[in-house]
Amino acid sequence: EPEVTQTPSHQVTQMGQEVILRCVPISNHLYFYWYRQILGQKVEFLVSFYNNEISEKSEIFDDQFSVERPDGSNFTLKIRSTKLEDSAMYFCASSQDSNYGYTFGSGTRLTVV
Amino acid sequence: AQSVTQLDSQVPVFEEAPVELRCNYSSSVSVYLFWYVQYPNQGLQLLLKYLSGSTLVKGINGFEAEFNKSQTSFHLRKPSVHISDTAEYFCAVSDPHGSSNTGKLIFGQGTTLQVKP
Repeated sequence: EPEVTQTPSHQVTQMGQEVILRCVPISNHLYFYWYRQILGQKVEFLVSFYNNEISEKSEIFDDQFSVERPDGSNFTLKIRSTKLEDSAMYFCASSQDSNYGYTFGSGTRLTVV
Repeated sequence: AQSVTQLDSQVPVFEEAPVELRCNYSSSVSVYLFWYVQYPNQGLQLLLKYLSGSTLVKGINGFEAEFNKSQTSFHLRKPSVHISDTAEYFCAVSDPHGSSNTGKLIFGQGTTLQVKP
């Protein structure tokens, strides 16, 4: 069964550093998403991406964050100048259609120290 | 704005017993509803979804859920649980008719199902 692949599975970074979280969505999917889950809290929507542009973003997704689809297969989330409160599990997801539920990756656990 | 409430943060149950995980949503429009499961150290896996039609939806691993519009609920059930069902379960809602229709999901807080031998 096709999978969404995320790398790395765990990343530790120092406060103020930039990190790039990488995702390989399912190849024929058109919609891409990033969510995050702070430990003990609910899964929160960050951003959706379609047709090579952001289609919706949450209040969390401020200027510190950016997304890119640099080639036909990767989908990245960049966090500039990380803060302690950015520590969370970040999930990438992709979907063929925006309405029918999507496939999530296994997540990247980001720890900012 | 939509919201999802999962009324139980933890549900302990013995193996082979039935279980119900509760989910209520708040929305002024018709919505699509989903249940996802998260096993330890894994991503979110779609269990089942309600888009339209029959209000009883069957999913993977023997789970089912019933959409109740009047009570704005979408409770998840399984008649007989296994140890392997121990996981975190998330209810989620999306608005297919919103102006952006991006498929954004709003999640509940999650319910930890603990199946005991």
